[in-house]
Amino acid sequence: SQQGEEDPQALSIQEGENATMNCSYKTSINNLQWYRQNSGRGLVHLILIRSNEREKHSGRLRVTLDTSKKSSSLLITASRAADTASYFCAPTSYNQGGKLIFGQGTELSVKP
Amino acid sequence: EPEVTQTPSHQVTQMGQEVILRCVPISNHLYFYWYRQILGQKVEFLVSFYNNEISEKSEIFDDQFSVERPDGSNFTLKIRSTKLEDSAMYFCASSEGGSISGNTIYFGEGSWLTVV
Repeated sequence: SQQGEEDPQALSIQEGENATMNCSYKTSINNLQWYRQNSGRGLVHLILIRSNEREKHSGRLRVTLDTSKKSSSLLITASRAADTASYFCAPTSYNQGGKLIFGQGTELSVKP
Repeated sequence: EPEVTQTPSHQVTQMGQEVILRCVPISNHLYFYWYRQILGQKVEFLVSFYNNEISEKSEIFDDQFSVERPDGSNFTLKIRSTKLEDSAMYFCASSEGGSISGNTIYFGEGSWLTVV
C-alpha cells in the first residue's frame, strides 16, 4: 500500500498569502485525494483528482497532478487564519484495496 | 450535509476493560472504516468493512479488536482488553463506493479514548 509524502512538513504564512503544499508518491495511481484536519478534529475531504486529470479547482483550492513525476500540489489562494490545519494527500491505486493511507501531512499555520 | 457520527466523543477506561466505540455511517454508504491517531502521530488505518465482513485489516488490528454492524445502521469497534497504548483518537469513516473508483471517504469527528 502506498502513502503520499507531503512537503514541507510545516509552513507558516501571513493571511492573504498563497500556500503551496506538495505530495509525492511511488507507484501509479487511480486517483489522489486531499484532506484537511484541524487540530483534534476529523479529516475533511477537500478535493479528488483522477489520474487522467491535470488540474482541478474548488473555490480557493487548486490541485495539480503530474503522473510522470508522481507528484501533486495543493494551492490555497488568499489564505485565511481559518485555513490553519494539517493537510494530507492520499493516493489510491488498485492494489491497495479501498482504504486510504495517510502520511505525516503538512502543518499549515496562517497568521492574521 | 450528511455526516458520520461517533459516540462517545471521549471515554476514559481502566486498563484491561472492554471498550465499544460506536459510529453511524452515512445512510447510503456501503464501505466502512476505522482509523486511529495516537497523539502527535499520523492517522493509521485499522480495518475496512464491506458486505458484512472485514475486507482488509492492518497489523494493528489484532485479536483484541473486532468490528460489527449489528443492526444495519451502527458500525462498532470493540477493544476487548484495553492497553495503555490503545489511547488514541479513533475515527470512523464511510464511503458510497471504494476510493479506487473515486468515491470520497467521509470521516467522523472521532472518539478520544484514554486508557489509564
